[in-house]
Amino acid sequence: DTGVSQNPRHKITKRGQNVTFRCDPISEHNRLYWYRQTLGQGPEFLTYFQNEAQLEKSRLLSDRFSAERPKGSFSTLEIQRTEQGDSAMYLCASSRTGEAGELFFGEGSRLTVL
Amino acid sequence: AQTVTQSQPEMSVQEAETVTLSCTYDTSESNYYLFWYKQPPSRQMILVIRQEAYKQQNATENRFSVNFQKAAKSFSLKISDSQLGDTAMYFCAFMKYNNNDMRFGAGTRLTVKP
Repeated sequence: DTGVSQNPRHKITKRGQNVTFRCDPISEHNRLYWYRQTLGQGPEFLTYFQNEAQLEKSRLLSDRFSAERPKGSFSTLEIQRTEQGDSAMYLCASSRTGEAGELFFGEGSRLTVL
Repeated sequence: AQTVTQSQPEMSVQEAETVTLSCTYDTSESNYYLFWYKQPPSRQMILVIRQEAYKQQNATENRFSVNFQKAAKSFSLKISDSQLGDTAMYFCAFMKYNNNDMRFGAGTRLTVKP
């Protein structure tokens, strides 16, 4: 197992465009998380899936953000009509049920909105 | 709302010496978890150590140990025999029981000098 994989690693886009990030969790992990990290700050929780069900969403996740995890495997995070304030590192993490807080993070997808 | 504060943006330590990173948190919960995560330069974040609030004994993992003071809401990380590979951002994090919204502090950048 190669760990949590995220693609693309870097994305540069113009304001107003849509972007999509993909996360492939560790195969036996049923929990998947998305976080956003801006420069000089710790990660901020965005959303959480248990299998295919999106169970929690942060108020940071505006209507322009949507996340899916079809069939409880990989997940996608889409940002519509990007704004410069969306520029950040988007981190995905996965974990097993019962291992409270032991998150395995990917290397992140860095978004730059021009 | 739960907040996590790391008051030391940057610290340095000589190789083989001991260093302590500070963390305080604010919560009205009685059951929760506390964590220290490490983010090496350009690499993914990994869990260093976890503490369950109901346990009085401080957690230890090899050279890493914590000083958990529940009444003071303090959770410091001690790294003994520092190694060059310990150079990283260190994030303190808090999570309520039965919740998946992990709150991170802003981080402490630790540099281990040869």
